[in-house]
Amino acid sequence: NAGVTQTPKFQVLKTGQSMTLQCAQDMNHNSMYWYRQDPGMGLRLIYYSASEGTTDKGEVPNGYNVSRLNKREFSLRLESAAPSQTSVYFCASSESWKQPLTEAFFGQGTRLTVV
Amino acid sequence: EDQVTQSPEALRLQEGESSSLNCSYTVSGLRGLFWYRQDPGKGPEFLFTLYSAGEEKEKERLKATLTKKESFLHITAPKPEDSATYLCAVQAGYTGRRALTFGSGTRLQVQP
Repeated sequence: NAGVTQTPKFQVLKTGQSMTLQCAQDMNHNSMYWYRQDPGMGLRLIYYSASEGTTDKGEVPNGYNVSRLNKREFSLRLESAAPSQTSVYFCASSESWKQPLTEAFFGQGTRLTVV
Repeated sequence: EDQVTQSPEALRLQEGESSSLNCSYTVSGLRGLFWYRQDPGKGPEFLFTLYSAGEEKEKERLKATLTKKESFLHITAPKPEDSATYLCAVQAGYTGRRALTFGSGTRLQVQP
């Protein structure tokens, strides 16, 4: 059981380049999330998908787009990378955001550097 | 706006020296408070969920408690393998807030 799988694990981009971060979960979860983690700032929500076919902005959505391709996959796209987007990106999934609450499971992260 | 503040930022303990980590929160209607453990280079790993004031949960050397304004993660007789960053997160109750708000974490180092 792989859980939440993110690719790639590491990436270096030049300013202005684009890329897509991939995420897949095999737990049949309804909800999926993208967070970024920066030193001293904790995990901040970029976008989430409460269920297949829906996506919503989180706390820091500017500069990103997402696609919920199917129930398993949720991708994050940087259209024109900026140095401020240097961060560690985590994908997560949970059975539901509704009551009863279920915990979120996280992937291993993608370490992105924009130069 | 939901806020989560964790203290201390870093904590160094000797093996066997018990202590507590603090998570203070301000939310519009708490639906749940989560504790996660994060090892270097890894994603957060779920530890506990607490739903209401007075609730307590235990797992091995860890015990989480919840009041109306804060949560504590008590570590009893820690071992070096307990070294990690511990993250606290809340989920608020008002409509539309469907994900977790995280604190910045407490980095725990347990020395043999």
